[in-house]
Amino acid sequence: AQKVTQAQTEISVVEKEDVTLDCVYETRDTTYYLFWYKQPPSGELVFLIRRNSFDEQNEISGRYSWNFQKSTSSFNFTITASQVVDSAVYFCALSVPGGATNKLIFGTGTLLAVQP
Amino acid sequence: SAVISQKPSRDICQRGTSLTIQCQVDSQVTMMFWYRQQPGQSLTLIATANQGSEATYESGFVIDKFPISRPNLTFSTLTVSNMSPEDSSIYLCSVDQQYRGGEQFFGPGTRLTVL
Repeated sequence: AQKVTQAQTEISVVEKEDVTLDCVYETRDTTYYLFWYKQPPSGELVFLIRRNSFDEQNEISGRYSWNFQKSTSSFNFTITASQVVDSAVYFCALSVPGGATNKLIFGTGTLLAVQP
Repeated sequence: SAVISQKPSRDICQRGTSLTIQCQVDSQVTMMFWYRQQPGQSLTLIATANQGSEATYESGFVIDKFPISRPNLTFSTLTVSNMSPEDSSIYLCSVDQQYRGGEQFFGPGTRLTVL
């Protein structure tokens, strides 16, 4: 069975601080995809990144970076120099391709509050 | 990425009634998904809707309660039937553009409140 765990329910930081959101996943499949989504207070789900299981290179996009480590089954997300606009719920998700569906399995989300 | 719209964006309904939510995509997609997000919770997949076949429901969700239509490759509807306050949630549709490697893009959601 597949599972995604986001142990941090809520994180509060002050603007300009760096913050890391943790994500641990479980799957027995060797081919899978990992995702991060952002859900601001308006409610829409914004796609941030997709990583496949064969690509362990870390990725940086502006102030965002992702650290994928298969050895620890983790896919952590770091925001550098956080801003108030980063305040949102962040979801980590897992999908295993193949079969009739490509469904996403979501973690419980981490609420990030960035204080000015 | 696909542009996805949902109607209505929000609604307040009475117990025992039904609501049909529409999801429209600006391009043809194979897979469409319907998720439910209960207040303060994560997203849970209700069903997968492929054009030309019956929807595939996840454990805990049944067709009588959440009938789905998928008449073509750009449109789907989800009906929430015989509603109760426990159905108050955000309902989101998403599409899987496989040519982009399985990324799913989400519509803006429908906020449903059942009184």
